[in-house]
Amino acid sequence: GAVVSQHPSWVICKSGTSVKIECRSLDFQATTMFWYRQFPKQSLMLMATSNEGSKATYEQGVEKDKFLINHASLTLSTLTVTSAHPEDSSFYICSARDTTGSYEQYFGPGTRLTVT
Amino acid sequence: EDQVTQSPEALRLQEGESSSLNCSYTVSGLRGLFWYRQDPGKGPEFLFTLYSAGEEKEKERLKATLTKKESFLHITAPKPEDSATYLCAVQAWEGSNYKLTFGKGTLLTVNP
Repeated sequence: GAVVSQHPSWVICKSGTSVKIECRSLDFQATTMFWYRQFPKQSLMLMATSNEGSKATYEQGVEKDKFLINHASLTLSTLTVTSAHPEDSSFYICSARDTTGSYEQYFGPGTRLTVT
Repeated sequence: EDQVTQSPEALRLQEGESSSLNCSYTVSGLRGLFWYRQDPGKGPEFLFTLYSAGEEKEKERLKATLTKKESFLHITAPKPEDSATYLCAVQAWEGSNYKLTFGKGTLLTVNP
């Protein structure tokens, strides 16, 4: 139980293009999903929190117009990196909290984004 | 501001050599302390959640404990497959959501 998937697992895109990453909770419904970013040998940094059917809440310093988040259903959230630049290259990880009210967050396997 | 400090940054053990990882924290309104395991290039794998001081949880060779200021992850007779980065995180209510604040992790290497 409590499986979260991400797609794609890795992506290479050219500078200036946009890329979309999907996060799905496979065996539970998630009212809240989170997007994190992780640089090599560093810990996870929260980028934004999304609640199903409402706008995402972004952490300080995260550009909401650059990192578009949509949480359209209880099992799917998407992160779109718009006009990507090489400095956006990173490991992006989503997590989900189920609707039963437990506090646990379950993480996806991550997406490695490389912008050339 | 919530803070999580993990020590040591790296730990190298021989197979069978038991040890402990430390996670000290300061948080307003703790709503759970989480331990995760992360393998290279993968997302964190949930291990434990502890909610109140004195609570303990076990899973195979791992045992997590919690006090009001810190948590320990005890590893008994580790095996090479226990090698990974172990992450500690505290959860608190901030703004309109519960949020996790992570420590930098402890990189554990278990040699055969």
